[in-house]
Amino acid sequence: AQSVAQPEDQVNVAEGNPLTVKCTYSVSGNPYLFWYVQYPNRGLQFLLKYITGDNLVKGSYGFEAEFNKSQTSFHLKKPSALVSDSALYFCAVGPNNNNDMRFGAGTRLTVKP
Amino acid sequence: EAGVAQSPRYKIIEKRQSVAFWCNPISGHATLYWYQQILGQGPKLLIQFQNNGVVDDSQLPKDRFSAERLKGVDSTLKIQPAKLEDSAVYLCASSLDNQPQHFGDGTRLSIL
Repeated sequence: AQSVAQPEDQVNVAEGNPLTVKCTYSVSGNPYLFWYVQYPNRGLQFLLKYITGDNLVKGSYGFEAEFNKSQTSFHLKKPSALVSDSALYFCAVGPNNNNDMRFGAGTRLTVKP
Repeated sequence: EAGVAQSPRYKIIEKRQSVAFWCNPISGHATLYWYQQILGQGPKLLIQFQNNGVVDDSQLPKDRFSAERLKGVDSTLKIQPAKLEDSAVYLCASSLDNQPQHFGDGTRLSIL
């Protein structure tokens, strides 16, 4: 069965600094990997996904993620953090594009002015 | 386009009572999902519909939870009877084939 781990409950960065939110996965076969963001009292919003192709995936709001097969990782990155990026970030993995997705426990990102 | 609509936003009930949640997906989205998100955890898929058929309900506690999507559009999720551990946010999502899921804002359920 597939699963993801988000090793950090909380990430704190200063505005303007680069940010990384970590995710590792476990799946048999080729992984379908996703990042979602959740603001308080709201549903999840899709940021980006990896299915195949380039290891660096670009998504919404300036976010990108790097797929690393040897390290089974899919870390979320942004070159310059904004205070408005403060939210809960979820990594997810599935055996295909939309079925049986498994979410990580989430990482709370706080960007301080 | 209008997003995924869910109601109610909040619900407080006592244990052993029944409760129902409603979801209206984005127009044209054939696939509909119900997730349970317990505080401090990621969403857990309860059931997935393709039109009005069930694709996956392997994680749905069928002794107390039920869901339907009779006309292949909106859907209801019911809990009967509720337990304390059912306190969570219930999220509905919808998608077109092979497209990202769009989530509603959820129903926050508190069991007293």
